[in-house]
Amino acid sequence: KNQVEQSPQSLIILEGKNCTLQCNYTVSPFSNLRWYKQDTGRGPVSLTIMTFSENTKSNGRYTATLDADTKQSSLHITASQLSDSASYICVVSARSGGGADGLTFGKGTHLIIQP
Amino acid sequence: GAGVSQSPSNKVTEKGKDVELRCDPISGHTALYWYRQSLGQGLEFLIYFQGNSAPDKSGLPSDRFSAERTGGSVSTLTIQRTQQEDSAVYLCASSSPGGYSGNTIYFGEGSWLTVV
Repeated sequence: KNQVEQSPQSLIILEGKNCTLQCNYTVSPFSNLRWYKQDTGRGPVSLTIMTFSENTKSNGRYTATLDADTKQSSLHITASQLSDSASYICVVSARSGGGADGLTFGKGTHLIIQP
Repeated sequence: GAGVSQSPSNKVTEKGKDVELRCDPISGHTALYWYRQSLGQGLEFLIYFQGNSAPDKSGLPSDRFSAERTGGSVSTLTIQRTQQEDSAVYLCASSSPGGYSGNTIYFGEGSWLTVV
């Protein structure tokens, strides 16, 4: 069964600090992995999309890494800002679609940035 | 429009009433998804449309839930005889051609449903 596990479930850090969120998956055959940011009361917004051949991808202060061998991804946030407070969702897509278009969602990491 | 548009943004309804939620996907997007998100929880897949293919309804929680997509564009999610456990945010997303392609999947802001 395809699964996406995210850790930690929640995280509190001080403004200006760095943090790393983890995503482990068992989706097969793998097509791509996405990280989304969801502000409270809003829809998710895409941060990065990585395919099998990509090891790292950046979007401003957000850097995602992918290890397709160990089926792990991380999202690193540098110099956190109060606006980074949100839920971060990992979504893994299976090649050739399938049920739910082959998309498996993690439950998200709830990040709180404290001043 | 520039993004995925959902309406209403908020809906309060009485238990037992029917509700309709609307989604306007990004123009030209062939894939359209509906998800449900209860407070503090992850996204739960409901239904997926892809072009003219038969929709994937495997996520609909009961026969009170149905959805249609007219003309390959606008979609309506209907919940009949609403129950309190239906209270959640209903999110619509669209993409082209689909999740496996690596193209961005865009989400709307959601329709917040409260059943009292």
